[in-house]
Amino acid sequence: AQSVAQPEDQVNVAEGNPLTVKCTYSVSGNPYLFWYVQYPNRGLQFLLKYITGDNLVKGSYGFEAEFNKSQTSFHLKKPSALVSDSALYFCAVSGLTDKLIFGTGTRLQVFP
Amino acid sequence: GAGVSQSPSNKVTEKGKDVELRCDPISGHTALYWYRQRLGQGLEFLIYFQGNSAPDKSGLPSDRFSAERTGESVSTLTIQRTQQEDSAVYLCASSLEGWGGNTEAFFGQGTRLTVV
Repeated sequence: AQSVAQPEDQVNVAEGNPLTVKCTYSVSGNPYLFWYVQYPNRGLQFLLKYITGDNLVKGSYGFEAEFNKSQTSFHLKKPSALVSDSALYFCAVSGLTDKLIFGTGTRLQVFP
Repeated sequence: GAGVSQSPSNKVTEKGKDVELRCDPISGHTALYWYRQRLGQGLEFLIYFQGNSAPDKSGLPSDRFSAERTGESVSTLTIQRTQQEDSAVYLCASSLEGWGGNTEAFFGQGTRLTVV
């Protein structure tokens, strides 16, 4: 069955440090992978996606994610965190015969 | 419009009443999704439309929930005999392609439903 796991409810990082938000998935066939961000009292915004090609995908606001097929992971990364990056982050997956489903979300807190 | 529009933005209703939530997707988007987000929790899939048909409605919590889509455009999510556990933000999203498609979904601002 199709699934997405975000093992960390919250990630804390100091401003200027690199950040990683973890995501693993399970889907039949090749996955289509997405990251979304939800700021307080705002809708979900698309950050980046992996469909095919380069395993390292770059997206909005300096974020990037690395697709690792052997580990079925798609971790979100940023080299230098900003306080304004503090938000709720969702990983999502769909496939050739699978609907778009979301993980439970990870709250990122960046401290000044 | 430029984005996905949902109405109303807020709805307070008495337990037992029926409510109707509306979603206007981005023009030309064939796929439409409904999700539910309870306070402090993740997105719970409810139903997916490809055009006017719903190939996957496996997430609808009970037979009190139904949804339809007309003209490959507007969709309405209806909750009958609302219960307090229905209180949540209901999110609608649309994408250019659907089932198995690789285009990202664009979300509306949601309808915050409170059942009192």
